[in-house]
Amino acid sequence: EVHLVESGGDLVEPGGSLRLSCVVSGVPMRNLAMHWVRQSPGKGLEWIAYIRSGGSATYYADAVKGRFTISRDNAKNSLYLQMTSLRGEDTALYYCVSSVLAVVTRFDHWGQGTLVSVSS
Amino acid sequence: DIQMTQAPSSLSASVGDRVTITCRASQSVSNYLNWYQQIPGKAPKLLIYSASNLQTGVPSRFSGGGSGTHFTLTINDLQPEDFASYYCQQSISFPRTFGQGTKLEIK
Repeated sequence: EVHLVESGGDLVEPGGSLRLSCVVSGVPMRNLAMHWVRQSPGKGLEWIAYIRSGGSATYYADAVKGRFTISRDNAKNSLYLQMTSLRGEDTALYYCVSSVLAVVTRFDHWGQGTLVSVSS
Repeated sequence: DIQMTQAPSSLSASVGDRVTITCRASQSVSNYLNWYQQIPGKAPKLLIYSASNLQTGVPSRFSGGGSGTHFTLTINDLQPEDFASYYCQQSISFPRTFGQGTKLEIK
């Protein structure tokens, strides 16, 4: 069973930076594609970033493109999200999500989330 | 980007009822459509993938259907633990997009 644990969420001022981490256990992370999905307070789910199992490809939502960077270290079973130029609208619970290799990919497993608050 | 639209946005029902939630895509997603359940205060959980395949461990009272642009999630014999929010999501292209969610409440 895949287990995901996020960390790194914090209160940060607008324009600041933050780095989120996610540790994967239960299966070798190298077999998983990984995503970050966020949820603003009281709102729906928003996918924001993807990284292929080997790290060779990444995709981003327009809302974070150029400000956020997803990366992974398969040797450490860890996923990261470097967040810069943070804005109030980035305030959300950030979920680390895994996808097994499949024809129709899906968000198979979710962490419990780490909270990012952007405010002065 | 592919827009996903769910209906209704909220729904009241009673234990034992049958409910159906619909999800429409702004363009065809074939069967690249997944459904998630989110209980308040918890992380989302995968219910159905590829439009109609039940994730392991999900009760058989949940079922999904559809293809192309029109999809449904049906819950038969509603149980107290089913009162939650439900989201559809397409995985045919990036950016991955979710419907706005349907909140299922107890009548």
